[in-house]
Amino acid sequence: DQQVKQNSPSLSVQEGRISILNCDYTNSMFDYFLWYKKYPAEGPTFLISISSIKDKNEDGRFTVFLNKSAKHLSLHIVPSQPGDSAVYFCAANGGSNYKLTFGKGTLLTVNP
Amino acid sequence: NAGVTQTPKFRILKIGQSMTLQCAQDMNHNYMYWYRQDPGMGLKLIYYSVGAGITDKGEVPNGYNVSRSTTEDFPLRLELAAPSQTSVYFCASSGGIWEPQHFGDGTRLSIL
Repeated sequence: DQQVKQNSPSLSVQEGRISILNCDYTNSMFDYFLWYKKYPAEGPTFLISISSIKDKNEDGRFTVFLNKSAKHLSLHIVPSQPGDSAVYFCAANGGSNYKLTFGKGTLLTVNP
Repeated sequence: NAGVTQTPKFRILKIGQSMTLQCAQDMNHNYMYWYRQDPGMGLKLIYYSVGAGITDKGEVPNGYNVSRSTTEDFPLRLELAAPSQTSVYFCASSGGIWEPQHFGDGTRLSIL
């Protein structure tokens, strides 16, 4: 049973445009959400996080939105750059449970 | 600034052989984790540790063992390698429940 779902295996956008990556979760106990970026042959790199007490968190070009009622979060990248091309993983954990549950990832390709 | 270091980067094993995947972190983190990533899938937790001398099973622990004698090191042991253990293994560490996990670059393991 997938508790964290990334339903789009891939996404292609033009440089300078907005990239929107989506993630849905089923476990209502999840209250801390993270996005990781992964390049080939490297480990995942932490990008941005959000706790359930917020509905938005920004860090430069990256913004994460959380809709608790819909159990949905999204990552917005504006403007997208070719160097953003990577696999993006959504992850979640719940309170005192520090074990992360990962989605399967979305491959983002930003075309010059 | 090494962060999380994993060795080796690549390894080919024969069925039934054993080996230890090494993981070391220099951030003085109490929490450490082992994940495996199969093609097209998210990361799945194998074992984790909340401090020296304390380890616990994750989602997919069968066929693996761990130990945590120091804060810095968290080796993963495969006793009888099986083809199903062919995967990329990632080690991670974090400073606390509400802190992101930092990953090593992974060990790519093939069992033939």
